[in-house]
Amino acid sequence: EAQVTQNPRYLITVTGKKLTVTCSQNMNHEYMSWYRQDPGLGLRQIYYSMNVEVTDKGDVPEGYKVSRKEKRNFPLILESPSPNQTSLYFCASSITSGSGRHEQFFGPGTRLTVL
Amino acid sequence: GQQLNQSPQSMFIQEGEDVSMNCTSSSIFNTWLWYKQDPGEGPVLLIALYKAGELTSNGRLTAQFGITRKDSFLNISASIPSDVGIYFCAGLSSHSGNTPLVFGKGTRLSVIA
Repeated sequence: EAQVTQNPRYLITVTGKKLTVTCSQNMNHEYMSWYRQDPGLGLRQIYYSMNVEVTDKGDVPEGYKVSRKEKRNFPLILESPSPNQTSLYFCASSITSGSGRHEQFFGPGTRLTVL
Repeated sequence: GQQLNQSPQSMFIQEGEDVSMNCTSSSIFNTWLWYKQDPGEGPVLLIALYKAGELTSNGRLTAQFGITRKDSFLNISASIPSDVGIYFCAGLSSHSGNTPLVFGKGTRLSVIA
């Protein structure tokens, strides 16, 4: 089954304790992205990657890091989490250029609470 | 950055009624996407539109890509309780897909049985 998976689905942590949220897709998509979703603010892009070893900042990159060492994986790293990073996080992937189709497929979400 | 204005923010309707929501932008988009998000889940793609004027249906859902390329609407006919959720529009300004997808803030739909 074609899908985007994220782990963990739920995480409660404390300020300053480094964490990684994993994201993996099995659709051979080039483009992957991370969003956070907060009440009243909608979906905001954190980072995106057009392909392996290519990453770019989105609208709200501060406090986050990403890496794209292989096509299927795009982990989100919070080196020193703070309470304002408490949010619902979504990973997404899509095929780009050449195909003419740009539908993004989303993972199930990771609900993060930073105390 | 670019912004999409999605309206209405929320709707309460009776089961069986038709629903209409729309998104507008001050800039041109080349792709419009409509998603639905159920509570606790990720957004699920409903309809993708790639050409100005395009009208596409998916069951009881119909979406159109505005002629000006600055707007799109989504209609749901004969609503049922499982239509409840948040509907998002999203636009892409690049044909190659190398620009970020821009999202509206969503329309929260409630269906009263």
